[in-house]
Amino acid sequence: EIVMTQSPATLSVSPGERATLSCRASQSLSTNLAWYQQKPGQAPRLLIFAASARATGIPARFSGTGSGTEFTLTISSLQSEDFAIYYCQQYNTWPPTWTFGQGTKVEMK
Amino acid sequence: EVQLLQSGGGLVQPGKSLSLSCRASGFTFSSYTLTWVRQAPGKGLEWISGISGSGVNTYYADSVEGRFTVSRDTLRDTMYLHMHSLRAEDTAIYYCARAGPGSSGWHNWFDPWGQGTLVTVSS
Repeated sequence: EIVMTQSPATLSVSPGERATLSCRASQSLSTNLAWYQQKPGQAPRLLIFAASARATGIPARFSGTGSGTEFTLTISSLQSEDFAIYYCQQYNTWPPTWTFGQGTKVEMK
Repeated sequence: EVQLLQSGGGLVQPGKSLSLSCRASGFTFSSYTLTWVRQAPGKGLEWISGISGSGVNTYYADSVEGRFTVSRDTLRDTMYLHMHSLRAEDTAIYYCARAGPGSSGWHNWFDPWGQGTLVTVSS
């Protein structure tokens, strides 16, 4: 079973600053990793797939990097609407056991 | 527009059963793997079940294996989650989500997601 570990658990950032979120997998995923944003009371929304590809309609300030076991989501200049919880997810294993990280909460500093 | 619209959910007693529905629109229903993800109150996301586009292959997390059954009805463009022997720890918001198309549909991210439906297991 692949374990996904996100860090930090909480990130305090001021609007306009850069936010860097990390996700580590217990075994190699190649680039089979996605990032989601979830706001209170809402369903998760896809931000990034294939480790670095932005989903439709996602602003360019969101970027994803990494491969293998280490991945990063960067928000270049945090906007008020970006305060939320972010999850990484692997989709590499067969049989499928899609696994999520425990989430990183991005809060206002 | 690609959409998933959920229904079902509610309050149910421990040991009882409940079914959830997820109706799809805006895409070729039978081509895509679909999944269920749940979120306990104040907790993170937990994938629990998936079904291939044909309905032949089904996948379950250990936490629900043997108690939950996923199915799909191509005529109604609807996926179902039949939950049995419910426990307090099954209390969560349940989301359906679309994975990918074709035989490699399992090898895919989730987009879009349904709006979620709350299941509360309590006496």
